Amino acid sequence: QPVLTQSSSASASLGSSVKLTCTLSSGHSSKIIGWHQQQPGMAPRFLMKVEGSGNYNKGSGVPDRFSGSSSGTDRYLTISNLQSEDEADYYCETWDTNTRVFGGGTKLTVL
Amino acid sequence: EVQLVESGGGFVQPGGSLRLSCAASGFTFSIYGMNWVRQAPGKGLEWVSGISGAGGGTFYADSVRGRITTARDDSKNTFLLQMDSLRADDTAVYYCARGADGYLDSWGQGTLVTVSS
Repeated sequence: QPVLTQSSSASASLGSSVKLTCTLSSGHSSKIIGWHQQQPGMAPRFLMKVEGSGNYNKGSGVPDRFSGSSSGTDRYLTISNLQSEDEADYYCETWDTNTRVFGGGTKLTVL
Repeated sequence: EVQLVESGGGFVQPGGSLRLSCAASGFTFSIYGMNWVRQAPGKGLEWVSGISGAGGGTFYADSVRGRITTARDDSKNTFLLQMDSLRADDTAVYYCARGADGYLDSWGQGTLVTVSS
């Protein structure tokens, strides 16, 4: 099954942009992944799905500041015009051969 | 609006059992796969179990296989997790999540399970 690799932490300034990466292990470049946001003390929230083609579809109510893209085995989550409420943990996940796999999560700090 | 509401969490001693429920509303429950995902204190998300829609199969993480059973009652729009032989490392918040085409697209608010003597 695939392994999803995420950086453990990232930081960016208020009002700037940040691009988070989720890397699929070799041989899984066609996988659709889901991106999820977990604010402190809250349940996860679905942000979007990202396909290998780069197409993405956001969940209901997700701001326009959030977008997705893809390159090879990398799936990206870009957040523009960072707000303080974007400080959260971000997880990617996918499904393969009867198993769901999560990345380790990226803790985003807004400076 | 999709709503997933978990219940049944609580405090249990090692070796004990617990049954979690997830009440679903706002969508045609029977056609969707459903999942349980847990999060131990201070840790990341870990998939526990899933069940396909329309009477499909059940799937389990290696860490819980043999100790956990998942089921669904489409007549009641309810998703269930029976946990037996609980261990301290099963302590976590357990989330119910809806499966879409290869990804999860909705989450419940979670229910806390604490396994301790």
